[in-house]
Amino acid sequence: TQLLEQSPQFLSIQEGENLTVYCNSSSVFSSLQWYRQEPGEGPVLLVTVVTGGEVKKLKRLTFQFGDARKDSSLHITAAQPGDTGLYLCAGGDDMRFGAGTRLTVKP
Amino acid sequence: GAVVSQHPSRVICKSGTSVKIECRSLDFQATTMFWYRQFPKQSLMLMATSNEGSKATYEQGVEKDKFLINHASLTLSTLTVTSAHPEDSSFYICSASTGTGLSYEQYFGPGTRLTVT
Repeated sequence: TQLLEQSPQFLSIQEGENLTVYCNSSSVFSSLQWYRQEPGEGPVLLVTVVTGGEVKKLKRLTFQFGDARKDSSLHITAAQPGDTGLYLCAGGDDMRFGAGTRLTVKP
Repeated sequence: GAVVSQHPSRVICKSGTSVKIECRSLDFQATTMFWYRQFPKQSLMLMATSNEGSKATYEQGVEKDKFLINHASLTLSTLTVTSAHPEDSSFYICSASTGTGLSYEQYFGPGTRLTVT
C-alpha cells in the first residue's frame, strides 16, 4: 500500500496571504492528483501531475511534483475566502487519499 | 469535463433495512469505479474497487456481504448497504475512472449522505 501524508492537517489564514500544503510519500508514484472538496460535496479534481519536477499553474494555484515523484506541493498565492475547503492528494494504482489539509481563509 | 452522478443525494432509513446507491458516469465510459466513505472532517476511505463485469475488490475490513457492489455496465455501479445499522451512517462517494494512460484521474460523484435511524 502506498501511503500519502499531507501537511499541515489544518491551516487558517487571512485573505491575501500565501500558503503551501504538502503531500509526501516514501513510494514513487506514476502520477498524483490534487482535489478540493467542499462540505457535503464530492471532491473536484484540480490537477494531475505526471512528470518528475513538473510544475502546473491553475490561476493562483501552483502545483509541483517532486523530481523523484514521491512528493508534491500546492502553493496558493493571495488566498481568498473561496479557496476554503479540504485539499486532498491521491495517487497510486489503488487510488488512495491522503488525510487532507483543511484550509480556512478568513476575510 | 467528465460528470458523475449519484442517486439519491440523501437517504434516511430504519435500522435493518437495505439501501441502494447508484453511481453513473454520464458522458464517458468508466472501466473502473471506486466507492469511498467519509466521516465528518475526515478524508475519504476507500471501500472497494469495481471493474465492469467482474467482482469488486474490497479493502481490508470492509464486509463484502454487507456492502454489495454491482458494476453492471461501463456507466453504472451500485452500492447496496444491507441490514443497515446506525454505525453505517456516513457520506458515501463514488468515483469513476477511464483507467487509461499514466494518469488515473478520477471523477467524483456529489456523494450520498446516509442516515440510519
